[in-house]
Parts: sequence; C-alpha cells; structure tokens
Amino acid sequence: EVQLVQSGADVKKPGESLKISCQGSEYSFSTYWIGWVRQMPGKGLEWMGIIYPGDSDTRYSPSFQGQVTISADKSFRTAYLQWSSLKASDTAIYYCARGINEFSLEGAFDIWGQGTLVTVSS
Amino acid sequence: EIVLTQSPGTLSLSPGERATLSCRASRSTVYLAWYQQKPGQAPRLLIYGASSRATGIPDRFSGSGSGTDFTLTISRLEPEDFAVYYCQQYGSSPSTFGQGTKVEIK
Repeated sequence: EVQLVQSGADVKKPGESLKISCQGSEYSFSTYWIGWVRQMPGKGLEWMGIIYPGDSDTRYSPSFQGQVTISADKSFRTAYLQWSSLKASDTAIYYCARGINEFSLEGAFDIWGQGTLVTVSS
Repeated sequence: EIVLTQSPGTLSLSPGERATLSCRASRSTVYLAWYQQKPGQAPRLLIYGASSRATGIPDRFSGSGSGTDFTLTISRLEPEDFAVYYCQQYGSSPSTFGQGTKVEIK
C-alpha cells in the first residue's frame, strides 16, 4: 500500500528548533513531488511548499519562505519540514502529501500523511 | 497568487439531497482539485483536473467548470458525506486552497 507516515506529535517552547518527518513507502519516492500543508486549529488548509526528492528542487509559498525549511533524503525515502526558532503561531497540524503525477510539479495531492501536531507553548 | 473563494460557507442539507459547492478563482486556472476532510482526519482527494474522479471515489461526486468558476456536485448525500470540502488550484505557483465549505446535516 502506498503511504506516507509522519513523525509523532511534538510540544516545544517558543524559540526552540524542530524537524518533523514524512516517510514514503511502496512507490518510487524520488520521482514524485512531496508537499507540506499547514492547518491551524479550527482553520483551513494552507499550502506551504513542495520538494522533488530526486534532486531536492524546492518551491515555497511566499507566506512561508524564510520561515521554514523543506528538505528530503531520498536514500531514507523521507521528506522533512523544519523550524529554527518556533513561535506560538506555528501551533498547527502539518500534513505531507504526494503529488499525483510522477515527475510533474503540477498535480493534486493524492496520498496524505496522517498529520503531525506541533504545539508551541511556554 | 491566485485566491480561491468558496461558497457557501456552510450548506445545511438532508441525506439524499443534492449538494452544489462553488469555487471561484481570482484568475483563470487550468488545474483544480477538490478534497474532503472529516474531523480528525487528513484530507482526501476527490476530484483533480476539475472533473476527474480520484481512485475509489464514488460516482455521486462530480466536478465541473473551467477558467475561474468551478463546481463540486454530490448527487445524493450519504451520511458519510457530511464533512468540510476544499478546492485547490495547482496550476500557478504558489498553489492555494479555498477557505472550505462545511456540509452539515439539516
């Protein structure tokens, strides 16, 4: 079964760093774009950015550029989302999702991870 | 970036009724998708390319539209269809989502 499995929930203090992960299985991980989507408590979906694990080509939404770093390690079939200094407003569920079209940046997200709840509180 | 505006915000219907959800884009887009999200779950892809059903999606779900106006239709609501629905455009970077339409039981 094609799936994306994300790392578990985390609680951090403001100013701390964090790296969450998303591991793909049962498909060619290197050749499908992986995106990250934020969902703040009780709110809608926000597209953060996307990465092609084959060559780590990465695109960011202007809203998230400079706020987070997206990376991938194709040998571990894993994509990452990281923060260097968390804020309380980063509290949200973060989803990774796979682009539906192999090789192509333009694609809906057909496979989603289960989500990682990040809580930032002093 | 392209702004997607979904309407209505909430749709109150009974099982068996037809649901019509709208998504309007601030600029023309070729690629539009629809997702369903239930409480505590990840979104699920329903429609991509404006009108193609994703794998395993029942045929009571259909998508239509082009340019700036798109519609998701649920022909006869089943109890499991009551959820929040989001549209997404992925033809222009950055990709963006609409704010969502909640379909609730009347």
